[in-house]
Amino acid sequence: SAVISQKPSRDICQRGTSLTIQCQVDSQVTMMFWYRQQPGQSLTLIATANQGSEATYESGFVIDKFPISRPNLTFSTLTVSNMSPEDSSIYLCSVEVLGAFFGQGTRLTVV
Amino acid sequence: GDSVTQMEGPVTLSEEAFLTINCTYTATGYPSLFWYVQYPGEGLQLLLKATKADDKGSNKGFEATYRKETTSFHLEKGSVQVSDSAVYFCALSQSGGGADGLTFGKGTHLIIQP
Repeated sequence: SAVISQKPSRDICQRGTSLTIQCQVDSQVTMMFWYRQQPGQSLTLIATANQGSEATYESGFVIDKFPISRPNLTFSTLTVSNMSPEDSSIYLCSVEVLGAFFGQGTRLTVV
Repeated sequence: GDSVTQMEGPVTLSEEAFLTINCTYTATGYPSLFWYVQYPGEGLQLLLKATKADDKGSNKGFEATYRKETTSFHLEKGSVQVSDSAVYFCALSQSGGGADGLTFGKGTHLIIQP
């Protein structure tokens, strides 16, 4: 199993600003995943982050909007840049350790 | 691409009722199948999984059987409790542990009334 600490747990941000979400895992993992859960919708994979290489983004997501860092095997950040109200969602990080584990999520509201 | 379809909610039941939440999938090969649960105010938790055809996953009284012939993974529980009220997500992965990320259904909101 894996224990994931994600922060902040929630934030309210002004449009045009950026927010960086942190994800810390209690064990070393090769890949970390970032998901978005828009209101009333399912989770959508944003990108996969491998340590030592650039993140791989899914269709519809770009690095300029969602830059990701992966400085080591236990930590990653996701930045939501130049935010608009449409970015209001829950953002979750996930790792795979004999199964997928999720952080508690960051509930972002953009006003 | 891969996709998961699950019944629309909300589903409202009385306590001790029988629960079925339907889930069907479209995928190449032999994906692993999962049910995740999201309780109010909490993060997503793995409820159960099955990695090959005819496998049955079970946990906390919930069961789901991997049916390759009908591409289904319906979630069932014989007697639901108020504490089962949550959003349930069906998901699949093309690797046993989800290493390539998960494809989720839209979720089914379950409401259990006392």
